[in-house]
Amino acid sequence: QVQLQESGPGLVKPSETLSLTCTVSGGSTSSYYWSWIRQPPGKGLEWIGCMYNSGSTNYNPSLKSRVIISVDTSRNQFSLKLTSVTAADTGVYYCARSYYGSVTHPYYLDYWGQGTLVTVTS
Amino acid sequence: DIVMTQSPDSLAVSLGERATINCRSSQSVLYSSNNKNYLAWYQQKPGQPPKLIIYWASTRASGVPDRFSGSGSGTDFTLTISSLQAEDVAVYYCQQHYITPPTFGQGTKVEIK
Repeated sequence: QVQLQESGPGLVKPSETLSLTCTVSGGSTSSYYWSWIRQPPGKGLEWIGCMYNSGSTNYNPSLKSRVIISVDTSRNQFSLKLTSVTAADTGVYYCARSYYGSVTHPYYLDYWGQGTLVTVTS
Repeated sequence: DIVMTQSPDSLAVSLGERATINCRSSQSVLYSSNNKNYLAWYQQKPGQPPKLIIYWASTRASGVPDRFSGSGSGTDFTLTISSLQAEDVAVYYCQQHYITPPTFGQGTKVEIK
């Protein structure tokens, strides 16, 4: 059974960088497609981006200038960095897997982490 | 981006009755080469992450009860819960993964009447 667990600071100051890690168990980050999705409080879901083992990445154009997703296959982890955050970046951040597709075209998300709440506040 | 619009925003259904949620995409998500609709449905219960329940518009994910069914093609899709159970109270989202970025509907909240 694949399990994902997000970790990272729950509070980030405006203009700073949000950094989160997703640890994967029961599956390898050297395969499949790994995404980050976020959900502002009481709102819907927004796909942030995804990556593949080769280091290939694909970002939502709305966030592309501020996002970096990377992988550490030795630790079976992948990470999200979002720079220059504002209050609009507050929300629950999820990591998730797509079994099929490609890095430029990840398919449906079949496994999700529990999510971690990140609040941007001074 | 493809815009996904769900209706209604919320609905209240009696236990054992049918619940129907609609999802419309701003452009077709049917890939003609394989005749697959790149449309998924997720269930999100309070305090939990979304859970995949339907993919390819009509294929139930593993372990999902058969009271859940998906239908539709092209731009118009429906999620049906044939006999609502108490544990089905949740927000349901449709998602297209036909064109990047993948986009979600705004969600439909299902409650017990």
